[in-house]
Amino acid sequence: NAGVTQTPKFRVLKTGQSMTLLCAQDMNHEYMYWYRQDPGMGLRLIHYSVGEGTTAKGEVPDGYNVSRLKKQNFLLGLESAAPSQTSVYFCASRQDRGFGEQYFGPGTRLTVT
Amino acid sequence: GENVEQHPSTLSVQEGDSAVIKCTYSDSASNYFPWYKQELGKGPQLIIDIRSNVGEKKDQRIAVTLNKTAKHFSLHITETQPEDSAVYFCAPLEGYALNFGKGTSLLVTP
Repeated sequence: NAGVTQTPKFRVLKTGQSMTLLCAQDMNHEYMYWYRQDPGMGLRLIHYSVGEGTTAKGEVPDGYNVSRLKKQNFLLGLESAAPSQTSVYFCASRQDRGFGEQYFGPGTRLTVT
Repeated sequence: GENVEQHPSTLSVQEGDSAVIKCTYSDSASNYFPWYKQELGKGPQLIIDIRSNVGEKKDQRIAVTLNKTAKHFSLHITETQPEDSAVYFCAPLEGYALNFGKGTSLLVTP
């Protein structure tokens, strides 16, 4: 049981480049989330999904797109990276809307120059 | 996130002392109140949670208290140890997602 995994662990992009971050979970969870973490800002929700084929915007969605084509995978895309998107990105999953633990991946450190 | 305030932002205690972190939220519909611990270089991990129909919950050295009327809940750590040093986040459930506070950096010195 790997839990929540993220690919890649580190990435450096130039301004304007695009990339996709992959999140995978093997717990059959319905809900999946993408957060970004910046110093002094806590974790801010970018997008989330409450089931296969569904996505919704969080607190800071601008500049990002997501897709949930398969229940176990949640992809985060940056179409045209900007230095303001330099951050640590965390994926998370939980069983459903009820009470219970939300499991986090190890994070992806992204630097945009 | 928005509308969740966590205090203090940093806390330094001596080993063996107690630590208390307070979280204030604004969504009156919230009914689930967890605390997460994040160690350096890792993702956050749940350490304790409480539901709105309970006022207090304990798990060994860790406890959470909830005052739903005043919209705040607190994390209490007793007999602190150096391995308790980490960043702690409150994250009340709002709709479909946990709304994380900005975090409290706890340092326990031997």
